Amino acid sequence: EVQLVESGGGLVQPGGSLRLSCAASGFTVSSNYMSWVRQAPGKGLEWVSVIYSGGSTYYADSVKGRFTISRHNSKNTLYLQMNSLRAEDTAVYYCARDRRGFYGDYDYYYYMDVWGKGTTVTVSS
Amino acid sequence: SSELTQDPAVSVALGQTVRITCQGDSLRSYYASWYQQKPGQAPVLVIYGKNNRPSGIPDRFSGSSSGNTASLTITGAQAEDEADYYCNSRDSSGNHPGYVFGTGTKVTVL
Repeated sequence: EVQLVESGGGLVQPGGSLRLSCAASGFTVSSNYMSWVRQAPGKGLEWVSVIYSGGSTYYADSVKGRFTISRHNSKNTLYLQMNSLRAEDTAVYYCARDRRGFYGDYDYYYYMDVWGKGTTVTVSS
Repeated sequence: SSELTQDPAVSVALGQTVRITCQGDSLRSYYASWYQQKPGQAPVLVIYGKNNRPSGIPDRFSGSSSGNTASLTITGAQAEDEADYYCNSRDSSGNHPGYVFGTGTKVTVL
């Protein structure tokens, strides 16, 4: 069964750090693009970061310079290292498998087909 | 970054049809994907690409697109379709190879 399980969330003070993990089963993390998406309490979804199968990484402007996405191939696990945390980073963090396909020349489509249940991060003093 | 705008809420009578729209400049360049989220649960992919449904998604869900607007249609809405729905696309602004989610639409089935 294809599955993602996040862990590592918790309560942290402003300015602190936290590392989230996302363990995958049923597929290989390193062969896929993988994203982190977050949802603040009562708010909508916000894309946070992506790591490509080739290792390139990209971030939302709101977390650039503070968050780092990475993976451990032998553990088949995705990570999100979060530093300099702010109150506005409080959210449920989801990891998702990030897929793409194409209909023809340069006619690509993108979607996130597998999601974990999420882990909650609370930044508060 | 780009923005995707959705109506905050819509309602539909049981068994009737509802269309949810998503507007944004990025949709001129990229297809939207659509996600259903029920309270306390993770999002679930319901539509992607031109009009593709993942395995297990009922065929009452369909997608379409024109210009800067993507639409998700539920034909014959069921009580279990009551949820928040989010569109998503690649971010077409600048060189940012990220994604943008819509503001979300709460669907109520009456």
